[in-house]
Amino acid sequence: GAVVSQHPSWVICKSGTSVKIECRSLDFQATTMFWYRQFPKQSLMLMATSNEGSKATYEQGVEKDKFLINHASLTLSTLTVTSAHPEDSSFYICSAGPSGRHEQFFGPGTRLTVL
Amino acid sequence: DQQVKQNSPSLSVQEGRISILNCDYTNSMFDYFLWYKKYPAEGPTFLISISSIKDKNEDGRFTVFLNKSAKHLSLHIVPSQPGDSAVYFCAATPRTGANSKLTFGKGITLSVRP
Repeated sequence: GAVVSQHPSWVICKSGTSVKIECRSLDFQATTMFWYRQFPKQSLMLMATSNEGSKATYEQGVEKDKFLINHASLTLSTLTVTSAHPEDSSFYICSAGPSGRHEQFFGPGTRLTVL
Repeated sequence: DQQVKQNSPSLSVQEGRISILNCDYTNSMFDYFLWYKKYPAEGPTFLISISSIKDKNEDGRFTVFLNKSAKHLSLHIVPSQPGDSAVYFCAATPRTGANSKLTFGKGITLSVRP
């Protein structure tokens, strides 16, 4: 149990376009999901906390208008990178955890490359 | 300010021997600690966790030790296997529950030599 999926696993886009990444909890409901990004050889950086039915909470320094988060259901959160630029190229990972469990489980990640 | 520190960036161990990965933290409000394993281009995989009310938790080849007074924890892997080669992240949270934010260390790259 406690499986989290992401789609797509990789995406290449042109500068200026928007890209949507989906995060799904497959076998549990998640009122909260987390979005991270990881640059090469660096740690996971928390970008935002996605809250079902309410606004996301963004970490300091993360532009909420650039990284739009929608948590419309208890099993789905989406991250949209708007007007993507090459510096947005990164590995984006989401996580969630079943209620009553302490652990968070991570999706497989999405590699975004902006040309 | 880095609240979770993994000061050694890498560790190389012979197959069959013990791997000891260390982690220090500064925030005394942390009360739950987790270890994750990560392969390149994949999401982290949960390994083992420990609550601050315990000083040891064991799961198969993996054991986590917590020294709360020293704000130090360690992950022991014994015996180490080549498939254990990966990046290991230590994480901490101030409260239990899956809705809690995790603070991660920078990770340790473990290489297990055949």
